Amino acid sequence: EAQVTQNPRYLITVTGKKLTVTCSQNMNHEYMSWYRQDPGLGLRQIYYSMNVEVTDKGDVPEGYKVSRKEKRNFPLILESPSPNQTSLYFCASSRGTGGVEAFFGQGTRLTVV
Amino acid sequence: GQQLNQSPQSMFIQEGEDVSMNCTSSSIFNTWLWYKQDPGEGPVLLIALYKAGELTSNGRLTAQFGITRKDSFLNISASIPSDVGIYFCAGQNNAGNMLTFGGGTRLMVKP
Repeated sequence: EAQVTQNPRYLITVTGKKLTVTCSQNMNHEYMSWYRQDPGLGLRQIYYSMNVEVTDKGDVPEGYKVSRKEKRNFPLILESPSPNQTSLYFCASSRGTGGVEAFFGQGTRLTVV
Repeated sequence: GQQLNQSPQSMFIQEGEDVSMNCTSSSIFNTWLWYKQDPGEGPVLLIALYKAGELTSNGRLTAQFGITRKDSFLNISASIPSDVGIYFCAGQNNAGNMLTFGGGTRLMVKP
Protein backbone atom coordinates (compact mmCIF):
# COMPACT_ATOMS: atom_id res chain seq x y z
CA GLU A 1 0.00 0.00 0.00
CA ALA A 2 1.29 3.43 -0.98
CA GLN A 3 1.85 5.52 2.09
CA VAL A 4 3.74 8.22 3.91
CA THR A 5 4.54 7.24 7.49
CA GLN A 6 5.33 9.75 10.21
CA ASN A 7 6.47 9.04 13.74
CA PRO A 8 5.56 9.80 16.38
CA ARG A 9 1.88 10.74 15.97
CA TYR A 10 1.86 12.67 19.24
CA LEU A 11 4.72 14.26 21.15
CA ILE A 12 4.90 16.46 24.22
CA THR A 13 8.31 17.88 24.98
CA VAL A 14 9.99 20.67 26.92
CA THR A 15 11.56 23.83 25.59
CA GLY A 16 15.09 23.28 24.32
CA LYS A 17 15.08 19.49 24.15
CA LYS A 18 16.13 18.38 20.68
CA LEU A 19 13.69 16.17 18.83
CA THR A 20 13.32 14.45 15.47
CA VAL A 21 10.14 13.57 13.63
CA THR A 22 10.69 10.83 11.10
CA CYS A 23 9.02 10.56 7.70
CA SER A 24 9.25 7.68 5.27
CA GLN A 25 7.55 7.04 1.91
CA ASN A 26 7.35 3.83 -0.11
CA MET A 27 6.41 5.29 -3.50
CA ASN A 28 9.91 6.13 -4.76
CA HIS A 29 8.91 9.80 -4.96
CA GLU A 30 11.67 12.31 -5.53
CA TYR A 31 9.90 15.29 -3.95
CA MET A 32 9.24 15.42 -0.22
CA SER A 33 8.22 18.27 2.05
CA TRP A 34 7.24 19.26 5.56
CA TYR A 35 4.30 21.49 6.52
CA ARG A 36 2.93 22.85 9.74
CA GLN A 37 -0.79 23.40 10.19
CA ASP A 38 -2.15 26.07 12.52
CA PRO A 39 -5.80 27.11 12.90
CA GLY A 40 -6.88 29.61 10.26
CA LEU A 41 -3.49 29.58 8.55
CA GLY A 42 -3.82 26.43 6.48
CA LEU A 43 -0.64 24.49 5.82
CA ARG A 44 2.63 26.35 5.57
CA GLN A 45 5.68 24.79 4.02
CA ILE A 46 8.72 24.46 6.25
CA TYR A 47 11.27 22.71 4.02
CA TYR A 48 11.21 20.71 0.85
CA SER A 49 13.53 18.36 -1.00
CA MET A 50 13.51 17.79 -4.74
CA ASN A 51 15.85 14.83 -4.51
CA VAL A 52 18.48 13.11 -2.37
CA GLU A 53 20.91 15.60 -0.82
CA VAL A 54 18.89 18.54 -2.19
CA THR A 55 16.90 20.55 0.37
CA ASP A 56 15.48 24.08 0.33
CA LYS A 57 13.68 26.41 2.70
CA GLY A 58 9.95 26.86 2.47
CA ASP A 59 7.96 29.76 3.87
CA VAL A 60 8.59 29.12 7.58
CA PRO A 61 12.00 27.39 8.01
CA GLU A 62 13.24 29.17 11.15
CA GLY A 63 13.94 26.77 14.01
CA TYR A 64 13.86 23.65 11.82
CA LYS A 65 16.38 21.45 10.03
CA VAL A 66 15.96 18.61 7.58
CA SER A 67 18.12 16.06 5.84
CA ARG A 68 17.64 13.85 2.78
CA LYS A 69 20.29 11.15 2.79
CA GLU A 70 18.02 8.54 1.21
CA LYS A 71 15.14 8.95 -1.20
CA ARG A 72 12.56 7.38 1.11
CA ASN A 73 13.35 9.30 4.34
CA PHE A 74 13.02 12.99 5.18
CA PRO A 75 13.32 13.65 8.93
CA LEU A 76 12.39 16.98 10.51
CA ILE A 77 14.71 18.12 13.29
CA LEU A 78 14.00 20.73 15.95
CA GLU A 79 17.35 21.48 17.59
CA SER A 80 15.90 23.66 20.36
CA PRO A 81 12.10 23.55 20.32
CA SER A 82 10.13 26.54 21.57
CA PRO A 83 6.43 26.87 22.49
CA ASN A 84 5.67 28.70 19.22
CA GLN A 85 6.54 25.47 17.42
CA THR A 86 3.57 23.77 19.00
CA SER A 87 1.61 22.70 15.94
CA LEU A 88 0.36 19.86 13.76
CA TYR A 89 3.08 18.73 11.35
CA PHE A 90 2.61 16.91 8.05
CA CYS A 91 5.12 15.22 5.82
CA ALA A 92 4.24 14.78 2.16
CA SER A 93 5.76 13.20 -0.93
CA SER A 94 4.84 13.55 -4.57
CA ARG A 95 5.60 12.07 -7.93
CA GLY A 96 5.37 15.44 -9.61
CA THR A 97 7.60 18.44 -9.15
CA GLY A 98 6.78 21.15 -6.65
CA GLY A 99 4.66 18.94 -4.46
CA VAL A 100 1.80 18.68 -6.94
CA GLU A 101 -0.50 15.72 -6.24
CA ALA A 102 1.16 15.19 -2.88
CA PHE A 103 0.47 12.24 -0.59
CA PHE A 104 0.35 13.31 3.04
CA GLY A 105 1.22 11.43 6.18
CA GLN A 106 -1.23 11.26 9.08
CA GLY A 107 0.39 14.08 10.98
CA THR A 108 2.39 14.60 14.16
CA ARG A 109 0.85 16.72 16.88
CA LEU A 110 3.70 18.41 18.74
CA THR A 111 3.30 20.29 22.00
CA VAL A 112 6.26 22.21 23.41
CA VAL A 113 5.87 23.33 27.03
CA GLY B 1 5.60 34.29 0.53
CA GLN B 2 2.53 34.16 -1.66
CA GLN B 3 -0.87 34.10 0.03
CA LEU B 4 -4.16 32.50 -0.85
CA ASN B 5 -7.42 33.90 0.48
CA GLN B 6 -9.94 31.12 0.87
CA SER B 7 -13.62 31.73 1.63
CA PRO B 8 -15.80 31.09 3.39
CA GLN B 9 -13.90 30.02 6.50
CA SER B 10 -16.77 27.75 7.53
CA MET B 11 -20.12 26.58 6.27
CA PHE B 12 -22.98 24.80 8.00
CA ILE B 13 -25.43 23.39 5.48
CA GLN B 14 -28.32 20.98 5.18
CA GLU B 15 -27.75 17.59 3.59
CA GLY B 16 -28.63 17.76 -0.09
CA GLU B 17 -27.62 21.38 -0.56
CA ASP B 18 -24.94 22.48 -3.02
CA VAL B 19 -21.74 24.06 -1.71
CA SER B 20 -19.38 26.56 -3.26
CA MET B 21 -16.02 27.77 -1.98
CA ASN B 22 -13.25 29.75 -3.64
CA CYS B 23 -9.67 30.91 -3.42
CA THR B 24 -8.13 34.10 -4.68
CA SER B 25 -4.57 35.31 -4.88
CA SER B 26 -2.71 38.46 -5.83
CA SER B 27 -0.15 36.24 -7.57
CA ILE B 28 -0.37 33.92 -10.54
CA PHE B 29 -0.20 30.17 -9.97
CA ASN B 30 0.70 27.47 -12.49
CA THR B 31 -1.41 24.76 -10.90
CA TRP B 32 -4.41 24.80 -8.57
CA LEU B 33 -5.24 21.91 -6.29
CA TRP B 34 -8.12 21.12 -3.96
CA TYR B 35 -7.62 18.89 -0.90
CA LYS B 36 -9.94 17.55 1.78
CA GLN B 37 -8.86 16.82 5.34
CA ASP B 38 -10.87 14.50 7.57
CA PRO B 39 -10.46 14.79 11.35
CA GLY B 40 -7.20 13.24 12.52
CA GLU B 41 -5.94 12.65 9.00
CA GLY B 42 -3.68 14.29 6.48
CA PRO B 43 -5.13 16.13 3.46
CA VAL B 44 -6.18 14.02 0.48
CA LEU B 45 -6.10 15.34 -3.07
CA LEU B 46 -9.55 15.83 -4.65
CA ILE B 47 -8.88 17.66 -7.90
CA ALA B 48 -5.83 19.03 -9.72
CA LEU B 49 -6.11 21.81 -12.32
CA TYR B 50 -3.24 22.49 -14.73
CA LYS B 51 -4.51 25.00 -17.29
CA ALA B 52 -6.17 28.40 -17.02
CA GLY B 53 -9.88 28.04 -17.68
CA GLU B 54 -9.85 24.30 -17.02
CA LEU B 55 -13.04 22.88 -15.53
CA THR B 56 -12.72 19.43 -13.97
CA SER B 57 -15.19 17.15 -12.22
CA ASN B 58 -14.69 14.29 -9.79
CA GLY B 59 -18.06 12.76 -8.98
CA ARG B 60 -20.13 15.42 -7.22
CA LEU B 61 -17.15 17.78 -7.10
CA THR B 62 -16.39 20.37 -9.77
CA ALA B 63 -13.45 22.77 -9.75
CA GLN B 64 -12.24 25.47 -12.11
CA PHE B 65 -8.89 27.15 -12.70
CA GLY B 66 -9.61 30.85 -13.21
CA ILE B 67 -8.74 32.50 -16.51
CA THR B 68 -6.53 35.06 -14.76
CA ARG B 69 -4.67 32.19 -12.99
CA LYS B 70 -5.30 34.04 -9.72
CA ASP B 71 -8.37 32.17 -8.53
CA SER B 72 -10.16 28.85 -8.35
CA PHE B 73 -13.47 27.56 -7.07
CA LEU B 74 -14.76 24.22 -5.84
CA ASN B 75 -18.41 23.20 -5.98
CA ILE B 76 -19.94 20.21 -4.23
CA SER B 77 -23.38 19.18 -5.40
CA ALA B 78 -26.02 17.40 -3.30
CA SER B 79 -23.91 17.33 -0.13
CA ILE B 80 -23.93 14.25 2.11
CA PRO B 81 -22.78 13.81 5.73
CA SER B 82 -19.41 12.30 4.70
CA ASP B 83 -18.55 15.58 2.95
CA VAL B 84 -17.81 16.99 6.41
CA GLY B 85 -14.21 18.11 6.78
CA ILE B 86 -11.82 20.92 5.97
CA TYR B 87 -11.26 21.78 2.31
CA PHE B 88 -8.04 23.44 1.25
CA CYS B 89 -7.06 25.07 -1.99
CA ALA B 90 -3.39 25.12 -2.93
CA GLY B 91 -1.41 26.73 -5.71
CA GLN B 92 1.94 25.81 -7.18
CA ASN B 93 4.32 28.73 -7.66
CA ASN B 94 5.82 29.79 -10.98
CA ALA B 95 9.17 28.27 -10.10
CA GLY B 96 7.38 24.94 -9.81
CA ASN B 97 8.98 24.00 -6.51
CA MET B 98 6.47 24.90 -3.78
CA LEU B 99 2.82 24.78 -2.83
CA THR B 100 0.97 27.56 -1.02
CA PHE B 101 -2.23 26.63 0.84
CA GLY B 102 -5.32 28.62 1.63
CA GLY B 103 -6.60 28.86 5.20
CA GLY B 104 -9.24 26.19 4.66
CA THR B 105 -13.04 25.98 4.60
CA ARG B 106 -14.61 23.93 7.37
CA LEU B 107 -17.74 22.24 6.05
CA MET B 108 -20.41 20.90 8.37
CA VAL B 109 -23.43 19.02 7.01
CA LYS B 110 -26.62 18.58 8.95
CA PRO B 111 -28.43 15.31 8.15
